[in-house]
Amino acid sequence: QLVLTQSPSASASLGASVKLTCTLSSGHSSYAIAWHQQQPEKGPRYLMKLNSDGRHSKGDGIPDRFSGSSSGAERYLTISSLQSEDEADYYCQTWGTGIWVFGGGTKLTVL
Amino acid sequence: EVQLVESGGGLVQPGGSLRLSCAASGFTFRSSWMSWVRQAPGKGLEWVANIKQDGSEKYYVDSVKGRFTVSRDNAKNSLYLHMNSLRAEDTAVYYCARDGVVGATISTIFDYWGQGTLVTVSS
Repeated sequence: QLVLTQSPSASASLGASVKLTCTLSSGHSSYAIAWHQQQPEKGPRYLMKLNSDGRHSKGDGIPDRFSGSSSGAERYLTISSLQSEDEADYYCQTWGTGIWVFGGGTKLTVL
Repeated sequence: EVQLVESGGGLVQPGGSLRLSCAASGFTFRSSWMSWVRQAPGKGLEWVANIKQDGSEKYYVDSVKGRFTVSRDNAKNSLYLHMNSLRAEDTAVYYCARDGVVGATISTIFDYWGQGTLVTVSS
C-alpha cells in the first residue's frame, strides 16, 4: 500500500535551517514526490517535484531557500534562512496506479 | 498567470447534492489533467478525483465512488464535481488543482491550486 509518512510537527528559529522528512512506504522507495506548502487560512502552494535521485524542479517563484534531497525511501525538504512566512503546513504527495496520496503533513513553527 | 477559481460550495443536508465548479485561466486547460482535493476542518489534504484532458479517464478515492462524478467542459475552461448522497464526513474545503505536466498520459503532481470552496454537510 502506497503511504507517505511525515512527522506531525517541527520547529526552528528565525534565520536558521530546517529539514522536513517524508518517508515512502516499503516497496515504493523509487517514487518521486511533490512538496506543497499551506500557509494558515490559504490554499496549498506547490513547492517542487523531487525525484528519487535527489533531482528536483521547483515551482514558479519558489525562492532558492527551498531545496530538496533524497536518500532511499526518504524525501527531504530543506528550508534555509527561515522567515516568519515559512510558518506553515508542509505536505508531500505522490501517485500510484489510480491513486494519488498525501502525507499527513508537518506543521512548521518558526520560533 | 494560472488561475483556478472554485465556486458552488455551501450548506447542504445529509443525503443532498451539490455541484462544484472550477474556472481555469492562464493556461491551455484542454491539455492538463485536473483534480479535486479536499481538506476536512483541521485535517490534512485528501485527493478526491481527477480527470484526463479529454475526459476519457476518471479516477476516484474509494470513499466517494458511486456518489461523486468529475467532469469538464474544455470549451468553457471549467472543471466540475457533482456530489450526491452527501455525508457529514464530506464536509471540507474542496480545491481544484492542475497537473504539473502538460499533455501527460497520467496525472502525477499538482502544480497550481485554487483557493478552495467550503462544503458543509449538516442538518
